[in-house]
Amino acid sequence: EAGVTQFPSHSVIEKGQTVTLRCDPISGHDNLYWYRRVMGKEIKFLLHFVKESKQDESGMPNNRFLAERTGGTYSTLKVQPAELEDSGVYFCASSQDPRVGYTFGSGTRLTVV
Amino acid sequence: AQSVTQPDIHITVSEGASLELRCNYSYGATPYLFWYVQSPGQGLQLLLKYFSGDTLVQGIKGFEAEFKRSQSSFNLRKPSVHWSDAAEYFCAVGPSYNTDKLIFGTGTRLQVFP
Repeated sequence: EAGVTQFPSHSVIEKGQTVTLRCDPISGHDNLYWYRRVMGKEIKFLLHFVKESKQDESGMPNNRFLAERTGGTYSTLKVQPAELEDSGVYFCASSQDPRVGYTFGSGTRLTVV
Repeated sequence: AQSVTQPDIHITVSEGASLELRCNYSYGATPYLFWYVQSPGQGLQLLLKYFSGDTLVQGIKGFEAEFKRSQSSFNLRKPSVHWSDAAEYFCAVGPSYNTDKLIFGTGTRLQVFP
């Protein structure tokens, strides 16, 4: 089966610009998660979708971040406007049963300059 | 609050040597515990997981981990390291009864010398 796909793999944008990250989960996985790792720190949870509904968005840092999952398939994470502290690696993961485990994508490395 | 501590930021070992990566957790109940590995340019790959039962868990690539409730630890071990094991390793805890999210440690970067 295809894994979790994220694109772009890298993105360099200027402060104040908008960036949209995309995640395609494993087909049939109802649960989709976004995580972020800022350089040198731990990987932190951002939010969790169950199908198209936001189950938990307690980790979203502020209202510059908007996540969507229309139709319960792929998801996008938009950052608008981007700030320097948004730089990091954004991981997407999907799961059918989180107690069994999660499958992570390769991540999108975002650099805001 | 739930937390995971990986006290070793960077470890260097010689190829063929044994390896132990430390992980301590703080959790209110019986935890679900995971070890993930991230090789350069790759995503996070699940090495092994513990939910219940036998406290010694076998994973992929010859890794194992032992859950010790009394020490709140879940250390990762490998008897003989290969150069291809050079990567960053993450310990994680979760999900809990009210959330699916994983709590990660800060990671341990493993360097392997020939």
